[in-house]
Amino acid sequence: SQKIEQNSEALNIQEGKTATLTCNYTNYSPAYLQWYRQDPGRGPVFLLLIRENEKEKRKERLKVTFDTTLKQSLFHITASQPADSATYLCALDHYGGSQGNLIFGKGTKLSVKP
Amino acid sequence: DVKVTQSSRYLVKRTGEKVFLECVQDMDHENMFWYRQDPGLGLRLIYFSYDVKMKEKGDIPEGYSVSREKKERFSLILESASTNQTSMYLCASSLFGDGANSPLHFGNGTRLTVT
Repeated sequence: SQKIEQNSEALNIQEGKTATLTCNYTNYSPAYLQWYRQDPGRGPVFLLLIRENEKEKRKERLKVTFDTTLKQSLFHITASQPADSATYLCALDHYGGSQGNLIFGKGTKLSVKP
Repeated sequence: DVKVTQSSRYLVKRTGEKVFLECVQDMDHENMFWYRQDPGLGLRLIYFSYDVKMKEKGDIPEGYSVSREKKERFSLILESASTNQTSMYLCASSLFGDGANSPLHFGNGTRLTVT
């Protein structure tokens, strides 16, 4: 069955640097991959979605890439700020694109130090 | 903005009690979901619903049931609460069933403790 891994449980970086978070999956390529942000005590908030036929997607300081050969998505935050500190989750579909088959990674906790 | 409201932020229940977790969304979304989130295990899908009165099992439905009598409301029921159901429960909704065009909107969670 499909497995999803976010390689780092925690990532610490200095303010102003680019944060890069990794999401790897096994087996078949998903139809799409999503990234969410979760703050302590809150539910996840949707950030970006990238489809299998897209190499890259951008939204303000955020950039997501999708490499079906490496079976990997990278999530970048440029010019990071302490307010970007949160846990970031990736999610992808098991098969068929249905949200009932969406699986989540365990998340990477990002800490941006001033 | 979509609002998904979970009725309780914190709940403490005793083993064997019947527990109801309520979730309401205000944007006429078709789909609703219940997840639980545990340290080291991430988010796991319990049940979801694509329409009123319809339900589908997720990855970990054992010990749970759900009810969707109205489009905006999705209830999670623990028939007989056990200590291993202590967790953070998250409700979500989405406009369509196709995740490529319709991301999830989550509530802020109910932290349930079963003693």
